[in-house]
Amino acid sequence: KAGVTQTPRYLIKTRGQQVTLSCSPISGHRSVSWYQQTPGQGLQFLFEYFSETQRNKGNFPGRFSGRQFSNSRSEMNVSTLELGDSALYLCASRKSGPGGANVLTFGAGSRLTVL
Amino acid sequence: SQQGEEDPQALSIQEGENATMNCSYKTSINNLQWYRQNSGRGLVHLILIRSNEREKHSGRLRVTLDTSKKSSSLLITASRAADTASYFCATEDRGSTLGRLYFGRGTQLTVWP
Repeated sequence: KAGVTQTPRYLIKTRGQQVTLSCSPISGHRSVSWYQQTPGQGLQFLFEYFSETQRNKGNFPGRFSGRQFSNSRSEMNVSTLELGDSALYLCASRKSGPGGANVLTFGAGSRLTVL
Repeated sequence: SQQGEEDPQALSIQEGENATMNCSYKTSINNLQWYRQNSGRGLVHLILIRSNEREKHSGRLRVTLDTSKKSSSLLITASRAADTASYFCATEDRGSTLGRLYFGRGTQLTVWP
């Protein structure tokens, strides 16, 4: 079966612009979470969605937002981009609902460069 | 921060040798997992050990967990060049139902042919 698909894989933006990243989870997986990976901070949790509801949010400013659609596909948006937003953005899905084993299947990531 | 810490940050060995990576964490956990990441790619789940388990094996992988010391180790036996990657431990807080994992900074393993 197809894995977690993230688009686009690479993108370059300038400061002040906004960006939308997309994630299609594994078929049947209803939970989607997003992580930001940078050399300085490592992997930082952004948010998690389950059944179109944001259930958990990390310590990121309001410029970072997301949503999940009825088909479990998710998007995250970053507005007013800053240089420090340059990172690999990873989406992960899992099959289990609340309380289930939290084993994540990751996509290949979207590499964002902000100039 | 609730992030775990891996040790060492970097490890360089020859093919056939064993590689041991350690992870320390700060909170009470439901389970601890190890993931692998090839350069610039997504993470791949390797193994999960629950808080009531002390040791687990999967192929060439052996994981131990000491909840009293809040630490874990990952042993890769008979390493291969293809094992070259970054390895991360990840913890799930005890009682959490929200699916958030806390990742360490990772150990970069290089296996030379």
